[in-house]
Amino acid sequence: NAGVTQTPKFRVLKTGQSMTLLCAQDMNHEYMYWYRQDPGMGLRLIHYSVGEGTTAKGEVPDGYNVSRLKKQNFLLGLESAAPSQTSVYFCASSYYQKGPTSRETQYFGPGTRLLVL
Amino acid sequence: GNSVTQMEGPVTLSEEAFLTINCTYTATGYPSLFWYVQYPGEGLQLLLKATKADDKGSNKGFEATYRKETTSFHLEKGSVQVSDSAVYFCALTLSNSGGYQKVTFGIGTKLQVIP
Repeated sequence: NAGVTQTPKFRVLKTGQSMTLLCAQDMNHEYMYWYRQDPGMGLRLIHYSVGEGTTAKGEVPDGYNVSRLKKQNFLLGLESAAPSQTSVYFCASSYYQKGPTSRETQYFGPGTRLLVL
Repeated sequence: GNSVTQMEGPVTLSEEAFLTINCTYTATGYPSLFWYVQYPGEGLQLLLKATKADDKGSNKGFEATYRKETTSFHLEKGSVQVSDSAVYFCALTLSNSGGYQKVTFGIGTKLQVIP
């Protein structure tokens, strides 16, 4: 049981290049999330998904796109990287708890460190 | 909106010292409260949680009590070890009408424990 995995671990891009970050989870979780972590700002939600084939915007979605073609995978794409997207990216997943009071813990991957020059 | 406030640190303590990391929150509704820990080079992992007022979460010698009257969830440990050096995030969770849980994180407090 690997939990949540992310690839790659580290990447350097030039401004304008594109790339895709892959997140995979083997816990059969319905919900998946992409966050970015920046100094002094904590974690901010980029996009999330409540199930296969669905995605939604989070707090800071601009410049990113996502896809959830399979339940276990959640891809984050940067179409044209900018230096402002230099950050550490974390994927997370959680169970779906039916009803209005979802209180489930999120499980995080180890992160992808991205440097955009 | 919802928010979580904690000091950024770093907090530097000697081994076996008492630890307190303060966390206060504002939220509409009745949130669940969490402490996550991030060890160097790793992702966040749940340390403890509390889902209603006066609940106490505990794990690995850490404790935090959900105080609704003071909107706080302070993290404490009686005797820290070098291995506790990490970044600690306070967080709250509320559900929207679609059942999705939105998590609001604090900025994280870096703890350094020296031998």
